[in-house]
Amino acid sequence: ELKVEQNPLFLSMQEGKNYTIYCNYSTTSDRLYWYRQDPGKSLESLFVLLSNGAVKQEGRLMASLDTKARLSTLHITAAVHDLSATYFCAVDMASNYQLIWGAGTKLIIKP
Amino acid sequence: SQTIHQWPATLVQPVGSPLSLECTVEGTSNPNLYWYRQAAGRGLQLLFYSVGIGQISSEVPQNLSASRPQDRQFILSSKKLLLSDSGFYLCAWSVLRPEAFFGQGTRLTVV
Repeated sequence: ELKVEQNPLFLSMQEGKNYTIYCNYSTTSDRLYWYRQDPGKSLESLFVLLSNGAVKQEGRLMASLDTKARLSTLHITAAVHDLSATYFCAVDMASNYQLIWGAGTKLIIKP
Repeated sequence: SQTIHQWPATLVQPVGSPLSLECTVEGTSNPNLYWYRQAAGRGLQLLFYSVGIGQISSEVPQNLSASRPQDRQFILSSKKLLLSDSGFYLCAWSVLRPEAFFGQGTRLTVV
C-alpha cells in the first residue's frame, strides 16, 4: 500500500526565513504533485514533477523530486506572509487513476 | 481551456435530508472525475472516481453515492444525511494521468 507522509504537519515561521517541507512516499513512483490550499478555498496546482531530479521553481517556492530516495521537497526562500497556506503533496500511482495524498502541511508566516 | 464548475458553494442541511451536489467540466472530453471530502483541518479523502459514463468506483463505503449520467457531469448524492457527512466536498478532473484540477468546493454543514 502506498503511503505518503509529509512533515512537518504544522509550521509557523517568520517572514524572511527559509524552510523546507518534506514529502516521503513508500513505493515506486516517478510523478509527484504539489498543491496549495488557502483557508476555506479549493486546491490549486503548484508543481508537477515528472522524473527523478526534476526541479521546478516559481517565485519563492522550489520543488524537487528524488525518486530513488522516494522524497520530494518544497523549499521556501525568504518567506512572505502571502505564502501562508496548507501545502499538499500527492503521488501518482501510475497503475490506476488515483493520487495518493499527504496529510498536508499548514504553513503560517508571521510578519 | 478547461473549466470545472461545482455547486452549490455552501449548503446547510438537516440530518436525514437528501443531498445532491453537481459538478460539470467544460473544454475536455472523457475526463476522469473525482469526488473528495475534506474534514475541517484535515487532508483529502477520495470518495469516488469515474473513468467514463456510468462507471463509478467507490473508495470508502458510506452514506454517499455518485453517478455520472453524462461524460462531463458528476453527481454526489445521499438519501439521508448524517452529521458525520459534514465537510468540504471537492470535485476534480484529470485526463491521461491523474494530475487533478479542482472545482471551488462545496462546504456542507449537516445540522
